[in-house]
Amino acid sequence: DAGITQSPRYKITETGRQVTLMCHQTWSHSYMFWYRQDLGHGLRLIYYSAAADITDKGEVPDGYVVSRSKTENFPLTLESATRSQTSVYFCASSDLANQPQHFGDGTRLSIL
Amino acid sequence: AQKITQTQPGMFVQEKEAVTLDCTYDTSDPSYGLFWYKQPSSGEMIFLIYQGSYDQQNATEGRYSLNFQKARKSANLVISASQLGDSAMYFCAMRRSGGGADGLTFGKGTHLIIQP
Repeated sequence: DAGITQSPRYKITETGRQVTLMCHQTWSHSYMFWYRQDLGHGLRLIYYSAAADITDKGEVPDGYVVSRSKTENFPLTLESATRSQTSVYFCASSDLANQPQHFGDGTRLSIL
Repeated sequence: AQKITQTQPGMFVQEKEAVTLDCTYDTSDPSYGLFWYKQPSSGEMIFLIYQGSYDQQNATEGRYSLNFQKARKSANLVISASQLGDSAMYFCAMRRSGGGADGLTFGKGTHLIIQP
């Protein structure tokens, strides 16, 4: 089925380790986004991408790296995880600017 | 910069009553879109309704309608005939329509509980 898939759904890791969260969409949407959700903050934009090889920072990009070599994939990497990056991470995609973003089911990441 | 304010952290509503969730926004962009999402306890984000800043009529989608008052910069979500399954977090969000890839700016959400 077409859609947007995030993996893993749950991840526990230790401070200082590198971890990559995967996002794959089958709609061929141009735009893809990464958000984090924390209590008291709602969802905040980490990085976004307008097309393959085009990425840009959002509101809270520090400590994260993204790439987009293919339209359908948009992985998010924490190069050296910190406890403050414990959060629920959502990937989303959309076609046009005035179209709704469709979200994956989220990855719950815990950093010990 | 864009800002979304949701002033109701939590609401209790009796089943079958209508409910209004408040959302005010601040932006200097002339063109923008307003969105509402539902997040049930299972965690997924579900798109409910969209309103463009130049749309002349308020958006409606089934039991959901958006009360858009541009001069007041408000975009309240109205749910008619509430159901137990409407219990969830509700987020108001906005996005600039020009400029392409901008992400959504979210409010902090309203936790709606429908009581039988």
